[in-house]
Amino acid sequence: SQQGEEDPQALSIQEGENATMNCSYKTSINNLQWYRQNSGRGLVHLILIRSNEREKHSGRLRVTLDTSKKSSSLLITASRAADTASYFCATDAKAAGNKLTFGGGTRVLVKP
Amino acid sequence: DTAVSQTPKYLVTQMGNDKSIKCEQNLGHDTMYWYKQDSKKFLKIMFSYNNKELIINETVPNRFSPKSPDKAHLNLHINSLELGDSAVYFCASSEGLTLRGEKLFFGSGTQLSVL
Repeated sequence: SQQGEEDPQALSIQEGENATMNCSYKTSINNLQWYRQNSGRGLVHLILIRSNEREKHSGRLRVTLDTSKKSSSLLITASRAADTASYFCATDAKAAGNKLTFGGGTRVLVKP
Repeated sequence: DTAVSQTPKYLVTQMGNDKSIKCEQNLGHDTMYWYKQDSKKFLKIMFSYNNKELIINETVPNRFSPKSPDKAHLNLHINSLELGDSAVYFCASSEGLTLRGEKLFFGSGTQLSVL
């Protein structure tokens, strides 16, 4: 089973609205990362949050991490049509060895 | 210049054939990976090499064989292709090992269709 699972699987919003997606994981982690994948392209790293951090910002992105609940959220504020993509969380965990494990992604559609 | 480039972008072939996908990174990274993305978009790691040494070898059929001639290249050879091998294969690289919180740089993917 996947270490990280995103929720919801799909999200449709209007341009200018905020988009929030969540990631839950099973075992203690070292770090959690968020990636974006545009249709037909490779994944692009967005932001990394370490296990001892609770919140990070990067431009219009805000990531939170709650290690007690084993969950993270990604908030995209003031969304744009160009934000239409799939968003994946990825964890590296002591129990998972030397690898980054991805969830199934949240597909976000931003309508103009 | 493309940081992580893989070829071909599309690969359509018959069952039973042997095919290779090539990957090169010009970032000077030490670690390279192959990931498989299925039709439901789940990404699963297949292999990882660090400085030409195999460090991750997930439960992948023996028909899949990675080869790293140098740390900038990681190729994937697949023998006796099966219908279930149809997927998008991504090459990626990182400066070090992901346990240190390294981010991955991905290629644009190779869409393999086995007919």
